[in-house]
Amino acid sequence: AQKITQTQPGMFVQEKEAVTLDCTYDTSDPSYGLFWYKQPSSGEMIFLIYQGSYDQQNATEGRYSLNFQKARKSANLVISASQLGDSAMYFCAMREGRGAQKLVFGQGTRLTINP
Amino acid sequence: NAGVTQTPKFRVLKTGQSMTLLCAQDMNHEYMYWYRQDPGMGLRLIHYSVGEGTTAKGEVPDGYNVSRLKKQNFLLGLESAAPSQTSVYFCASSSWLAGSMETQYFGPGTRLLVL
Repeated sequence: AQKITQTQPGMFVQEKEAVTLDCTYDTSDPSYGLFWYKQPSSGEMIFLIYQGSYDQQNATEGRYSLNFQKARKSANLVISASQLGDSAMYFCAMREGRGAQKLVFGQGTRLTINP
Repeated sequence: NAGVTQTPKFRVLKTGQSMTLLCAQDMNHEYMYWYRQDPGMGLRLIHYSVGEGTTAKGEVPDGYNVSRLKKQNFLLGLESAAPSQTSVYFCASSSWLAGSMETQYFGPGTRLLVL
């Protein structure tokens, strides 16, 4: 079974609009972490935001926020006021348990921002 | 700080040839990881290390070997390359700090083509 599911292969959004990228996860471990990474066309992996399973509040980092719904096992990334530079692949990833942080990645969503 | 660096950036191999990919980090991180990324997919963990002299298998370890003789270096070896190993290889490192977000920092990637 897929541990991380990203159901949107591609999304197209107008510049300055907000966009939500979906991510659902599957785990029975009570301790886990959820990450979002951005991969621009240049190929590097850029860390965006992190949410721990015990965190009481949704994580925020500048224009990025994570809509964490624990009961639904979803961790959607919200980008406010999108910019042309936000066009990239976005990956959701999960780390289960503590110790070595073995990440499991989803298949990604390609976001395209139109001017 | 250079962060995480990978050598080489690009390589072409013939089937059956061997090669070693080098990853180096200057952040004094305990944990290091090797991932592969195939077209249209997220990253998959090959091997990882929780400290100098220790390695462990990840999700897709077959056909690869690793070594961590020094804390700052993590080597990935292909003894007999196969076309199925054509991929982009990413190295990452992270640190275990109580209460931290435990982010993995990625290198720029190595693009490998096996003919």
